Amino acid sequence: DAKTTQPPSMDCAEGRAANLPCNHSTISGNEYVYWYRQIHSQGPQYIIHGLKNNETNEMASLIITEDRKSSTLILPHATLRDTAVYYCIVRTTGTASKLTFGTGTRLQVTL
Amino acid sequence: EAQVTQNPRYLITVTGKKLTVTCSQNMNHEYMSWYRQDPGLGLRQIYYSMNVEVTDKGDVPEGYKVSRKEKRNFPLILESPSPNQTSLYFCASSQGNRNSPLHFGNGTRLTVT
Repeated sequence: DAKTTQPPSMDCAEGRAANLPCNHSTISGNEYVYWYRQIHSQGPQYIIHGLKNNETNEMASLIITEDRKSSTLILPHATLRDTAVYYCIVRTTGTASKLTFGTGTRLQVTL
Repeated sequence: EAQVTQNPRYLITVTGKKLTVTCSQNMNHEYMSWYRQDPGLGLRQIYYSMNVEVTDKGDVPEGYKVSRKEKRNFPLILESPSPNQTSLYFCASSQGNRNSPLHFGNGTRLTVT
């Protein structure tokens, strides 16, 4: 599995953009980058995923570098409810749907 | 509403007493999976199923059984629970390819005394 590296924690002021980085330098050409978050002990929530191009949905934007060795999840206007652990995951080409979760980034949104 | 439903949310039991945690999805997904989450160890896959009657071991299958008799249901069975199976369990489902997100249930917190 391609390994990902994320900072253990980040802070963000409410209303500001939260930019969460992820390094995945060993990613293969056909492996997707997925982002999930987990609030307290709830089930992981899917946020966004991408292969090569930048992606945007109602929750966030995903920026993938041209060499695909890193990506950034952007929450454009963070709120207190965005406080959570955010996981960057590279989805393997083997077992089709397995996700290997790392330790993630704990994002704290403050007033 | 599209969702993965697990029951029960909380369960306290004693060593050796067989139990089943149910999981059901209403999205017609082919792929279903069970994870456990423990402090410091993150989420680890227990078992998965690519389709009806097709199941396979994940990373930590010891002490667990699963079955997939219907597409929508994927129960997790602990024949003889032990205290080291005290954990937070999540069921998940997806369409089964790398371009399809995995959707998780809200979890079952199991305590084995």
